[in-house]
Amino acid sequence: NAGVTQTPKFRVLKTGQSMTLLCAQDMNHEYMYWYRQDPGMGLRLIHYSVGEGTTAKGEVPDGYNVSRLKKQNFLLGLESAAPSQTSVYFCASSYNRGLQPQHFGDGTRLSIL
Amino acid sequence: DAKTTQPTSMDCAEGRAANLPCNHSTISGNEYVYWYRQIHSQGPQYIIHGLKNNETNEMASLIITEDRKSSTLILPHATLRDTAVYYCIVRGGTASKLTFGTGTRLQVTL
Repeated sequence: NAGVTQTPKFRVLKTGQSMTLLCAQDMNHEYMYWYRQDPGMGLRLIHYSVGEGTTAKGEVPDGYNVSRLKKQNFLLGLESAAPSQTSVYFCASSYNRGLQPQHFGDGTRLSIL
Repeated sequence: DAKTTQPTSMDCAEGRAANLPCNHSTISGNEYVYWYRQIHSQGPQYIIHGLKNNETNEMASLIITEDRKSSTLILPHATLRDTAVYYCIVRGGTASKLTFGTGTRLQVTL
């Protein structure tokens, strides 16, 4: 049982490059989330999705886009990477928006030079 | 969501109980208390949650005061593998996001 899988685990980009982070979950969860974590800080929500074909903005959405074409996948895109987007990105999923806990992947470490 | 206050760090000897406190004095009636932990370089891991009654599962126990303004997470027999940052989060049932503070860094020692 894989749970939440994030691809890639590490990546180094140059300023202005684009890339897509992939999150896949095998728990049939409706809700999926993208967070970022900067050194010494808690996680901050970037975007989330309440179901296939839907997305919504979180606390820090600027500079990112997301898509949820399939229920099991949630993609996070950086169109033009900036050094301020250097961070660890975590994906999570949950059964619904209620009281069910969120299950997290192990993160993607992204450095932008 | 209500704000939480936790100590920055705590130490615990292996095999002893680790008691991690959390203050949430502005919690409202429909908000639950959640605990997550993050072991170095890994994603956060759900531990337990509760509304007003004490809760216990295979990982930990959660004690919530009668006025619900504070709670304590108890790891009954801490091991070195419990060394992590522990986050106390207050969340309403309809909230989409988890608001992570800076948590408590628990160091379990021999």
